[in-house]
Amino acid sequence: DAGVIQSPRHEVTEMGQEVTLRCKPISGHNSLFWYRQTMMRGLELLIYFNNNVPIDDSGMPEDRFSAKMPNASFSTLKIQPSEPRDSAVYFCASSNLDTEAFFGQGTRLTVV
Amino acid sequence: SQKIEQNSEALNIQEGKTATLTCNYTNYSPAYLQWYRQDPGRGPVFLLLIRENEKEKRKERLKVTFDTTLKQSLFHITASQPADSATYLCALDFNTDKLIFGTGTRLQVFP
Repeated sequence: DAGVIQSPRHEVTEMGQEVTLRCKPISGHNSLFWYRQTMMRGLELLIYFNNNVPIDDSGMPEDRFSAKMPNASFSTLKIQPSEPRDSAVYFCASSNLDTEAFFGQGTRLTVV
Repeated sequence: SQKIEQNSEALNIQEGKTATLTCNYTNYSPAYLQWYRQDPGRGPVFLLLIRENEKEKRKERLKVTFDTTLKQSLFHITASQPADSATYLCALDFNTDKLIFGTGTRLQVFP
């Protein structure tokens, strides 16, 4: 398996634009997590899915953020409209429950 | 609310010494605790997992302890090497199936 695959690796966008981050989890994993990492706040859990169903989205900062998992092999995190304070590295991770999480390489988002 | 604390200051040690990193938490004890390594520009990589009924876990030069009374986990790297330089993150699962991370501690091992 190629591991967790995220795209794009880097995204630069203007304030107000819509941003869509993509994630392909490891085949067979039933949990998927979206994290955001900044120097100030560290690695924050935004939302996680179990068997494609959103279980806890309490970490999603605002209504501007939304996440979907239409099937077991694909998830998206969308920000609309984007703001400069959304600039961060966004990680996707997958696992089976109560086991280690495997992280993707991350998407570095810059909103100018 | 639950808090996870790791020393935000970098830990600088000499090659060959043992590095000890600390992870403290408040309120409830987690069902299990994990340690990850993160290199610049990369995602975290899993190192060790320890469950609440385990006191200690070892893997090669790595050792993790878990004290639910002190609400603390210690992560040790023995015979440290410059290649061990990285940021180390602890992560806790409080039986909610979601993994919450500490802010991490940067380790620098000097030759």
